[in-house]
Amino acid sequence: EAQVTQNPRYLITVTGKKLTVTCSQNMNHEYMSWYRQDPGLGLRQIYYSMNVEVTDKGDVPEGYKVSRKEKRNFPLILESPSPNQTSLYFCASSPAGGRGTQYFGPGTRLTVL
Amino acid sequence: KQEVTQIPAALSVPEGENLVLNCSFTDSAIYNLQWFRQDPGKGLTSLLLIQSSQREQTSGRLNASLDKSSGRSTLYIAASQPGDSATYLCAVGDSNYQLIWGAGTKLIIKP
Repeated sequence: EAQVTQNPRYLITVTGKKLTVTCSQNMNHEYMSWYRQDPGLGLRQIYYSMNVEVTDKGDVPEGYKVSRKEKRNFPLILESPSPNQTSLYFCASSPAGGRGTQYFGPGTRLTVL
Repeated sequence: KQEVTQIPAALSVPEGENLVLNCSFTDSAIYNLQWFRQDPGKGLTSLLLIQSSQREQTSGRLNASLDKSSGRSTLYIAASQPGDSATYLCAVGDSNYQLIWGAGTKLIIKP
C-alpha cells in the first residue's frame, strides 16, 4: 500500500530534550516536506526537500532541522524543543513538489511542557 | 506574495443539500490548485487537482472549478452526506514547486 508513515503519532516531552520525528514514504517520491498545523494559522511549511541531500527552508524553519540521506526518509529534528513548538506535525511527499498530488502522513501531535 | 483565503471558516448544512466551498487567491500566476479533506486528528487526503490550464475536475459527487482570471476556485459537493463532514482545504501550487495554503472550511452535515 502506498503510504507516508510518521512516528511517533503522539509525543509529550519537556523543554530542551532533543527529539526526532521520523517520516518514511514508499512511493519513490523525490519531494518531501514537513508542515505544522496550529489553530487559526493553518498549515505552515517548515522544511522541504526536492531530492536526496537537497533541503530548503519553508516558512517557519526556526528551531527545526532536517536531513535527507535517502529518498524514502525525511526525519524532523528538534534539537531543543520549546513550548511554542507544541503543534500537530505532518509529513508529506509528492512526485513533483507542489506540481503533483500530495500524500500526507497521519500526523504527529507534539506537546512540549 | 500569494495569499489564499477560504470563506466561510465554518459551514453547517442539512444532509442532502448541494453546497459550494470557496477558495480565492491573489496572484493568478499559479501552476495548479488542489483541494484536500482533513478529518479530525488525521492527515490530509487529496481530493482534486486542477492544472492551471483546466477549468474543472470531477470525482464522484465532487466538482472543482478554477477561474484564474478572477482568482477563484469552488468545490461543489452534490447530495451531501454526514460522512462529508470534515475540514476542506485548498492549496495553490506556484512555479517554485511550493504550495500556498488556505486556512480551511470546517463543514458539518447535519443528519
